[in-house]
Amino acid sequence: SQQGEEDPQALSIQEGENATMNCSYKTSINNLQWYRQNSGRGLVHLILIRSNEREKHSGRLRVTLDTSKKSSSLLITASRAADTASYFCATDSRDQGGSEKLVFGKGTKLTVNP
Amino acid sequence: EAQVTQNPRYLITVTGKKLTVTCSQNMNHEYMSWYRQDPGLGLRQIYYSMNVEVTDKGDVPEGYKVSRKEKRNFPLILESPSPNQTSLYFCASNRRNTGELFFGEGSRLTVL
Repeated sequence: SQQGEEDPQALSIQEGENATMNCSYKTSINNLQWYRQNSGRGLVHLILIRSNEREKHSGRLRVTLDTSKKSSSLLITASRAADTASYFCATDSRDQGGSEKLVFGKGTKLTVNP
Repeated sequence: EAQVTQNPRYLITVTGKKLTVTCSQNMNHEYMSWYRQDPGLGLRQIYYSMNVEVTDKGDVPEGYKVSRKEKRNFPLILESPSPNQTSLYFCASNRRNTGELFFGEGSRLTVL
């Protein structure tokens, strides 16, 4: 069951530029999370934003959430080559049995060129 | 160090040969889950467990089994692997089912 959809699928920028990735979802949520995955490695949690929050910062990361538009954005400022990775959003979703779980989008592949 | 450990990291096997991928976490987390990641399909949940002896199917459970006899361990069992189970598998744990997930490093499985 697909809940979050990231956009764009791929993004290539130069070092020092900002990178913006978007996530749209279909149903109401309690929270939305962003994860990072280096090629072939495990996902690493970046930030969680609750449905009653509009913006959150962590270092060079800025996440916004617009529940009226059912969308979130992840901004990485002053990007570095080491930021090259895939970025996923995950939203909580209730399945047919009523159980809550996290559902991941397909990710945005970010390439930061030195 | 808080971590989720899964083994093996890489495995090539043949159709029908039973295999187990182990997963262990040292954070005393209630919830554990297994995902598979395939190109173009993203991350899909196979099974999850809310506590010891409590497991439930995720989105793609066919061909897999799990068990949760101890809180820290959550092995994934492929009784009769088939080529369509060739994938990158991740184990993850979290304190509550929609909270921050901690992932293992992944197990890349190839079924010939």
